[in-house]
Amino acid sequence: DTAVSQTPKYLVTQMGNDKSIKCEQNLGHDTMYWYKQDSKKFLKIMFSYNNKELIINETVPNRFSPKSPDKAHLNLHINSLELGDSAVYFCASSPRGQRNTEAFFGQGTRLTVV
Amino acid sequence: DAKTTQPPSMDCAEGRAANLPCNHSTISGNEYVYWYRQIHSQGPQYIIHGLKNNETNEMASLIITEDRKSSTLILPHATLRDTAVYYCIVRVNTGTASKLTFGTGTRLQVTL
Repeated sequence: DTAVSQTPKYLVTQMGNDKSIKCEQNLGHDTMYWYKQDSKKFLKIMFSYNNKELIINETVPNRFSPKSPDKAHLNLHINSLELGDSAVYFCASSPRGQRNTEAFFGQGTRLTVV
Repeated sequence: DAKTTQPPSMDCAEGRAANLPCNHSTISGNEYVYWYRQIHSQGPQYIIHGLKNNETNEMASLIITEDRKSSTLILPHATLRDTAVYYCIVRVNTGTASKLTFGTGTRLQVTL
């Protein structure tokens, strides 16, 4: 009964390739997020979707394109991968925009660009 | 955004209480204090949150000072499985969605 699941868990690819990371949550939440954790372990938000609508876009290069086919899914597509994209990407979800509710995180996707 | 300041690392003996401090001197009156932790190679995990009053749940207790400029997370009986990076976060509300702004956290090492 995984609440927030991401696939794949590991992804190794060459520079210039296009890849996607999938995320699904079975918690009935309206809001989903993508976070990036770099090699220095800084964890930063990239995007937030609320009921399939983009709410937060934190100055992420437009090579990154989130797609939300429904409120239970938020996929991350990355074009023309660069070495600097190597990181762990976490998907998360929370109930709709309430300030005092917790976010549930997936286990992360470790992306390595070679 | 209110920023938080935490010590980079702490040690705690197993079975003892772990007290993790956090300063958030610029917190606004309607901002909550959240604590998350990240065990190695896992996603962040919610622990507890509070506004003004002290809070307790099955995982931890949160003590917030009266002026709300600092707080302490207490793990009453630390175990080896509590070894993790602990993040103190002040919740930012950007309208219909709110984001978590993670700092560098405190790396808690629980030892035998």
